[in-house]
Amino acid sequence: EVQLVESGGGLVQPGGSLKLSCAASGFTFSGSAMHWVRQASGKGLEWVGRIRSKANSYATAYAASVKGRFTISRDDSKNTAYLQMNSLKTEDTAVYYCTPAGPYFQHWGQGTLVTVSS
Amino acid sequence: AIRMTQSPSSFSASTGDRVTITCRASQGISSYLAWYQQKPGKAPKLLIYAASTLQSGVPSRFSGSGSGTDFTLTISCLQSEDFATYYCQQYYSGGVFTFGPGTKVDIK
Repeated sequence: EVQLVESGGGLVQPGGSLKLSCAASGFTFSGSAMHWVRQASGKGLEWVGRIRSKANSYATAYAASVKGRFTISRDDSKNTAYLQMNSLKTEDTAVYYCTPAGPYFQHWGQGTLVTVSS
Repeated sequence: AIRMTQSPSSFSASTGDRVTITCRASQGISSYLAWYQQKPGKAPKLLIYAASTLQSGVPSRFSGSGSGTDFTLTISCLQSEDFATYYCQQYYSGGVFTFGPGTKVDIK
């Protein structure tokens, strides 16, 4: 059974940083791309970015809204993906989900809430 | 970037109704489209991929069609558990994915 557990969310001031983690199990993590998707309260889903596998050179891609501020990484030895978020803005407030593989998303974690507020 | 629109944004329906939701892409995306269902406080659930392929375990009352820029999700006989918000998602453009704004289906 695929399990995804996001953690690291919390309250952060505008301009601050936060690093989210996604612990994965139940599938071949090292061979899978990992994506992050977010959802502001009462709003729709927004794809944030993804990191591909080692075989695909750990290539990353990001939504225009976060490019240059967010960085996705992974540690295949720990079956964990990360989302480093810098220069946070109030509009980054959302539940952040990780989801494997793509390009469409079968498995989702429970999400972790990030609140950017002074 | 490819933009996705959905219509309507919300509507009310009754159990047993046949409902159709439309998704439109700002440029052609072939059949690289998925549909999701989301209930409050829950993660999205994949319903359909490749525009018309039903995900395993999803009831056959759900169906998808379309290609290019125009797509539809149809629920043939709405059940109580189908009241939710539905999103389309394109995965055509070079590793950058976008979701539609969502269509909320609530009880009439």
